Amino acid sequence: AQTVTQSQPEMSVQEAETVTLSCTYDTSESDYYLFWYKQPPSRQMILVIRQEAYKQQNATENRFSVNFQKAAKSFSLKISDSQLGDAAMYFCALTLMEYGNKLVFGAGTILRVKS
Amino acid sequence: EAQVTQNPRYLITVTGKKLTVTCSQNMNHEYMSWYRQDPGLGLRQIYYSMNVEVTDKGDVPEGYKVSRKEKRNFPLILESPSPNQTSLYFCASGVGAGANYGYTFGSGTRLTVV
Repeated sequence: AQTVTQSQPEMSVQEAETVTLSCTYDTSESDYYLFWYKQPPSRQMILVIRQEAYKQQNATENRFSVNFQKAAKSFSLKISDSQLGDAAMYFCALTLMEYGNKLVFGAGTILRVKS
Repeated sequence: EAQVTQNPRYLITVTGKKLTVTCSQNMNHEYMSWYRQDPGLGLRQIYYSMNVEVTDKGDVPEGYKVSRKEKRNFPLILESPSPNQTSLYFCASGVGAGANYGYTFGSGTRLTVV
């Protein structure tokens, strides 16, 4: 069974600083995808970044980047130059490459941004 | 605009009164799914559908029904709601091999069963 663990229920960061959200996962498969989703107070689920497990290179999207350690089954999200609009719940999620497979989510990390 | 439309956004109902939450997507996605979100548990899959007339159970299907008669619509039915189904519900659709490119989510339905 696949599992995703986010060990930080809450994190805080000062505006313009950098913060890293942690995520570990467990799967017996070698090919899979990992995601970070953002859920602001509007509760809309927004895809932040996607990583393909067979790619060594860490994904980046503007101020968002990941540190993907496949052997350690770790997938952390780094937010640089934090902005007030980054305040949200962040979910780490995993899916296998098989068709019809589900996204398995972690419990989420609340990120607070201080001005 | 590409989107997943969920209705209603908020719903308060009484135990045992059948209800339907509608979900429609305009992206011609084959894959659609329902999730519930509960504090400390993240999002858990209820049901999913790989195409018209093809549905299957997720991790927490008890007390729910779905149907996929048209590609764009995937309603969630609670035949006899109970208070433990009070939750935030999301419909999602996906492109590519299942969820591999990430889902597009609806705006969520906050359901309270009293």
